[in-house]
Amino acid sequence: DAGVIQSPRHEVTEMGQEVTLRCKPISGHNSLFWYRQTMMRGLELLIYFNNNVPIDDSGMPEDRFSAKMPNASFSTLKIQPSEPRDSAVYFCASSQGISNQPQHFGDGTRLSIL
Amino acid sequence: AQSVTQPDIHITVSEGASLELRCNYSYGATPYLFWYVQSPGQGLQLLLKYFSGDTLVQGIKGFEAEFKRSQSSFNLRKPSVHWSDAAEYFCAVGVSGGYNKLIFGAGTRLAVHP
Repeated sequence: DAGVIQSPRHEVTEMGQEVTLRCKPISGHNSLFWYRQTMMRGLELLIYFNNNVPIDDSGMPEDRFSAKMPNASFSTLKIQPSEPRDSAVYFCASSQGISNQPQHFGDGTRLSIL
Repeated sequence: AQSVTQPDIHITVSEGASLELRCNYSYGATPYLFWYVQSPGQGLQLLLKYFSGDTLVQGIKGFEAEFKRSQSSFNLRKPSVHWSDAAEYFCAVGVSGGYNKLIFGAGTRLAVHP
């Protein structure tokens, strides 16, 4: 079975540009999570969805960040405008059911904002 | 509120030696606990999980973990470490009713000496 698929794997762009990260969850999974990982702050939960509906976006750092899940097989995380401090590895994870199931992670997108 | 503490930020062991990574959790009810491993440049991979029943759980790659309610601990063990086990290890607790949301510890980075 295919795991969680994230694209692109690497993104380098200049500050002020719009960045869009993409995620395809595992088929049949109905919860999707976006994380950010940095050396300074570790692994941070940004937002998560259940059945395509955002449940908690309290981890989104500021209005420059937005996430959507238009259908069960696709989600995006957008940063507009991007800033150097947004440089990090962004992970998407998915899980099945609504209670106490493990999350399955993608390989992440390494984002560098110059 | 739920929380997870991994007291050791960095651990170094010799190849072939035994390993124990510590994890303490704070949770009001019966916890759902997980250990994940992250190799460089990759996402988090599930090693094992505890839901209920036998307090000693077996995982992949020869790892096991023991749930001790009296100590609020879920330590990860391996009898003989291989060089390929060098990675970062994360303990996590599931949030009840939280659509499979996880609270992660800060991680323990394992180095293996030949």
